[in-house]
Amino acid sequence: QVQLHESGPGLVKPSQTLSLTCTVSGVSITSGHYYWSWIRQHPGKSLEWIGHIYYTGGTDYNPSLKSRVFISGDASKNQFSLKLTSVTAADTAVYYCARDYGRLGYFDDWGQGTLVTVSS
Amino acid sequence: DIVMTQSPDSLAVSLGERATINCKSSQNILYRSNNKNFLAWYQQKPGQPPKLLIYWASTRESGVPDRFSGSGSGTDFTLTISSLQAEDVALYFCQQYYTTPRTFGQGTKVAIK
Repeated sequence: QVQLHESGPGLVKPSQTLSLTCTVSGVSITSGHYYWSWIRQHPGKSLEWIGHIYYTGGTDYNPSLKSRVFISGDASKNQFSLKLTSVTAADTAVYYCARDYGRLGYFDDWGQGTLVTVSS
Repeated sequence: DIVMTQSPDSLAVSLGERATINCKSSQNILYRSNNKNFLAWYQQKPGQPPKLLIYWASTRESGVPDRFSGSGSGTDFTLTISSLQAEDVALYFCQQYYTTPRTFGQGTKVAIK
């Protein structure tokens, strides 16, 4: 059974960097079948795909966030991570990590999500 | 970006009755070479992550009850709950994966009348 779990600070100050890690169990992130995504949901709103990483280290990012986003992977820990720089209150959201069924695919497994609030 | 527009924003249906949610994409998301529509549907209950219900517009994910069905092609799609159960009260999203960035509809809230 695949499980994903997000971890990281729940409060980040404006202009600082948001850093989250997703720990995956039940499948290796080096499995060539999947990409590994970050998705966020603003309070009471819809979902926004942030970007993903493949086991080769290749990444794709949402152009709306591309200048501020970096996604990396650590195969030895079966984890992948998100960094979002220069955050503002508009980055306050629940952040989910998810398994991505292909480079252009649907999301078939999700973490529980973690709320990150940007506030001084 | 492809814009996904759902209708209605919310609906209330009696237990056992049919619920229908529509999703329209701003561009065609049917890939003609394999005749597949790059559309998925998700269910989200309060405090939980979204759960995949349907992919390729009409393929039910394993374990999803058969009262959930997806239809449509090109730019117009529908999620149907044939006989609403109390546990189906949730927010429902459509999502296109035809191109990057993947984009979601704004969500439709389903309640019991």
